[in-house]
Amino acid sequence: EAGVAQSPRYKIIEKRQSVAFWCNPISGHATLYWYQQILGQGPKLLIQFQNNGVVDDSQLPKDRFSAERLKGVDSTLKIQPAKLEDSAVYLCASSLDLERGNTIYFGEGSWLTVV
Amino acid sequence: AQSVAQPEDQVNVAEGNPLTVKCTYSVSGNPYLFWYVQYPNRGLQFLLKYITGDNLVKGSYGFEAEFNKSQTSFHLKKPSALVSDSALYFCAVRLLYGGSQGNLIFGKGTKLSVKP
Repeated sequence: EAGVAQSPRYKIIEKRQSVAFWCNPISGHATLYWYQQILGQGPKLLIQFQNNGVVDDSQLPKDRFSAERLKGVDSTLKIQPAKLEDSAVYLCASSLDLERGNTIYFGEGSWLTVV
Repeated sequence: AQSVAQPEDQVNVAEGNPLTVKCTYSVSGNPYLFWYVQYPNRGLQFLLKYITGDNLVKGSYGFEAEFNKSQTSFHLKKPSALVSDSALYFCAVRLLYGGSQGNLIFGKGTKLSVKP
């Protein structure tokens, strides 16, 4: 079974530029998450989708971050304009549904450096 | 508020010795607890989870974890450490309710270093 796919793996941009990350979850997984992991910290949720609807985006800096999952499968996370403090790993994850017993599986991450 | 604590930033152990990575939690209701491992420049890999049932949970790569309700702990263990176990380990609890239902709350991580 294929895992969670993410691209690009690495990106270096200058501050005030824009960047987009793409995620393809495990087939059949209704719930998709985007986490931000800053060096030395645990991942923190940015946004959570159930199919193509947003469950929680309370931690998403909406002045610069946006995310969509239009057809309930793939998702895109965009940052515009980027700030230095956005340097982090952006992890996409998916699970079968919101049931707590189901495992959340993570992709390899998209590593962003803002200079 | 629900939270997870990993009291040790780093754990050092010699190869072949047993290892323990500590985790304590604070949740409302029954806890759903997870351990993940992160190797350098990689994403998080699922190791094991506790939902209900036996307090000793067995997972991938020979790891196991012991759930202790009275001490609100979920320590990760392995009887004999390998150099290849050196990585960053995260404990997490999955939320039951609220706006982030189903989301994972992570500890800050513990770096495990296994020396030959």
